[in-house]
Amino acid sequence: GQNIDQPTEMTATEGAIVQINCTYQTSGFNGLFWYQQHAGEAPTFLSYNVLDGLEEKGRFSSFLSRSKGYSYLLLKELQMKDSASYLCAVLDSNYQLIWGAGTKLIIKP
Amino acid sequence: ETGVTQSPTHLIKTRGQQVTLRCSSQSGHNTVSWYQQALGQGPQFIFQYYREEENGRGNFPPRFSGLQFPNYSSELNVNALELDDSALYLCASSYGTENTGELFFGEGSRLTVL
Repeated sequence: GQNIDQPTEMTATEGAIVQINCTYQTSGFNGLFWYQQHAGEAPTFLSYNVLDGLEEKGRFSSFLSRSKGYSYLLLKELQMKDSASYLCAVLDSNYQLIWGAGTKLIIKP
Repeated sequence: ETGVTQSPTHLIKTRGQQVTLRCSSQSGHNTVSWYQQALGQGPQFIFQYYREEENGRGNFPPRFSGLQFPNYSSELNVNALELDDSALYLCASSYGTENTGELFFGEGSRLTVL
């Protein structure tokens, strides 16, 4: 079967750094996405990794290791508005997105 | 503003009824995919349409069906509603079939089945 694991919930402090991990086992791999979803809203795109390594985009960075079936999303200089769920999704061999359950990130002042 | 709009935003149905949800894609996008998101879960892929034809389907029964129109707007139909169908239904538009680009999601239709 296909499986994507991420922590259910994490808590961090405003201004700090947090790393949200994602491990996956899928039938094939054509890339990994991170999306942000605020409560009651639609998911919005954060990043797409298809090659190993770190992709940096402002305060957000995403890392991929295909051999380990592992990715993380790194958020720096946390702001209260970063409180949201972070969804990891893998594009399988049929180019269908398989989604994790999401990590709810709580930012405290 | 993603340009993807869905209607209705909220609706309540009873078990056994039928429902139609609608999605208007972002301009220039020819692919639409539908997802079911239960509370506290990630989206589950229902199906994808490309140029009016279904070109991928997730693990959902045949009572979940869809259409894509020449203007690339789309419908999701669910027959014989069950309590477990209560969820947020998300539509996402994109260009091409390989989903390697960003998906643009609508705000969703929240369906409650009583």
